Amino acid sequence: QVQLQESGPGLVKPSGTLSLNCSVSGGPFNFYYWSWIRQPPGKGLEWIAYISYSGTSNYNPSLRSRAAISVDTSKNQFSLRLNSVTAADTAFYYCARLAHGRHDIWGQGTLATVSS
Amino acid sequence: QSVLTQPPSVSAAPGQKVTISCSASSSIMGDNFVSWYQQLPGTAPKLLIYDNNKRPSGIPDRFSGSKSGTSATLGITGLQTGDEADYYCGTWDSNLSSWVFGGGTKLTVL
Repeated sequence: QVQLQESGPGLVKPSGTLSLNCSVSGGPFNFYYWSWIRQPPGKGLEWIAYISYSGTSNYNPSLRSRAAISVDTSKNQFSLRLNSVTAADTAFYYCARLAHGRHDIWGQGTLATVSS
Repeated sequence: QSVLTQPPSVSAAPGQKVTISCSASSSIMGDNFVSWYQQLPGTAPKLLIYDNNKRPSGIPDRFSGSKSGTSATLGITGLQTGDEADYYCGTWDSNLSSWVFGGGTKLTVL
């Protein structure tokens, strides 16, 4: 079955850039949209952005100025870069498949901590 | 503050029924489907309900969803201790051009 796996550094310095990758396996990569969603420890979910296999993207207005999502169809991967990070960006970051208006498959999540 | 409002917590005894509401601050739900997600402690969210009231394969029929106007509701019958989790509603906000989630509801099975 389709599986998503996040990867990236667990620790990022303040004002630095958070970079995350999501690898998709076990199913088709094309024909879907792919999202990044985050969750600060003990808090709720916040959608960050989505991208299609062809590169069409959309962002949460509150993060649009700092976030960049990209896709590499040759590797069945998509990525997130979030710049100028602060402690408020410390969160579990999940990648998920956005299919027909719902996030139907999620990765296990990766914790990114912003600290010096 | 989310554009989708959920109660912070609900509780009920094993075997009982509980409902969790999800209210929109605008007409965003009028044209878009609502989905629900279950997040068990220490795990990633899982799709529970989609298109307002459909269940993915493997989700028991104890879980149900409905939508009316600018509100959606998740219902869980025959509560089990294993249902203790955080539940989130989500939908596409056409006004913001953004996917939005509710603030989440913590279910406690007493």
